[in-house]
Formats: sequence, structure tokens, C-alpha cells
Amino acid sequence: DTGVSQDPRHKITKRGQNVTFRCDPISEHNRLYWYRQTLGQGPEFLTYFQNEAQLEKSRLLSDRFSAERPKGSFSTLEIQRTEQGDSAMYLCASSLSSDNQPQHFGDGTRLSIL
Amino acid sequence: GDSVTQMEGPVTLSEEAFLTINCTYTATGYPSLFWYVQYPGEGLQLLLKATKADDKGSNKGFEATYRKETTSFHLEKGSVQVSDSAVYFCALSDNTDKLIFGTGTRLQVFP
Repeated sequence: DTGVSQDPRHKITKRGQNVTFRCDPISEHNRLYWYRQTLGQGPEFLTYFQNEAQLEKSRLLSDRFSAERPKGSFSTLEIQRTEQGDSAMYLCASSLSSDNQPQHFGDGTRLSIL
Repeated sequence: GDSVTQMEGPVTLSEEAFLTINCTYTATGYPSLFWYVQYPGEGLQLLLKATKADDKGSNKGFEATYRKETTSFHLEKGSVQVSDSAVYFCALSDNTDKLIFGTGTRLQVFP
């Protein structure tokens, strides 16, 4: 079991730049989730996929955010025109789609906006 | 909407002390309940879960019971170790299976 893998671990960029993060889920998992965690808070749901279909997006996901999972395997999360408030840890999780299957989390990508 | 409230930390204990971290929830349906743990420098790990009322989840000496009447899922351990020092998150999953987390409780255990 190789676990959920996220890349990069850290990203530092200037305000206004675009960034893209990648998540590789556990291979047999058909559900993939993105969360955002700020300091001192619990993770907040952003969006999730079942296979390649994006089934739900949070109000937190502004128009500057887009996520894809084109072949139902890895996923990317892109933030355009980054703002200071985007600084956070971005977490990816995956699970099987059967009832009550636990989500397995990656180590996250920490984004810092200068 | 659905939400989770957990006690603020840090919780500071001596080794072998009894641990309780309180968690209550608000949900319109019948959620599943979880405790996740985040050790320093590591990602979130599932600690235990319960999927229906009166279920007890347990793992590594930790326990939590799904109490529908009090909408609670308190985490307990009879004797904590220094290695239990971490941040603990209570969470629920709704009918779409996305997780809703509490703000986390930092546990510090001293020898």
C-alpha cells in the first residue's frame, strides 16, 4: 500500500501567480477528495470526484480554483491569480465508494503566498 | 448545516493519566463519526470510527461511543503515553461522504 501521494510538499509563490498541485490516490480507490486546512483549524471540504466525475464543490471553491481528474486516477488542483488568503495546507484523500469507507489522507501540499 | 464542536486545547497530561477529549455534533441525518489523529510532521490518520448509534470504535487503546441522545462522540484512553502527543480531530460524514471536521485538540503528554 503506497498511500496517497501529493506533490509538491511545499510551494512558495508570489501573489497573482498560478499554482497547480497533484494528488495520486491509492490505486483501487475511486473517490478522491480535496480539503484545505489553515493554521489552528480542521480541514475544510473543497470538492470530490467519483472516478472522473466531479460530484460536489464547496462554496469555498471560488472561480479561481479548478480541479480535474481526467482519467479517474490522479487529480490536479489549480489556483489562478493566487491571493494571500490562499495560504494553507491543501490535503487530498481517497476512498472506496462503498458505504462508510474511511478516507485516507496524503501528507498535503503547503502553499505560502508572498 | 452539519457541524462538529470539540474541546479547545491544548490538553496537557502526565504519562499514564486518563484522557477525555469531548466532541459533539449537529447533523440533520444519521452521520458516521470519526476520530483522526495528526502526529507532528505527519498527515491525518484515521484513529477510529462508528457508523451508527451505540457503536463503539476502538484502536490503540483509544475508544469512542456514538451517543445519539447526547449527539456526542467523546474520545477516551485509560493511560496515555508520550507517543500519543498529537492533534486529534473529530469528524462526521454526511450522506455525500465528505468529512466535516472540528477544529482539533492538541494533546501534550509529559513523562
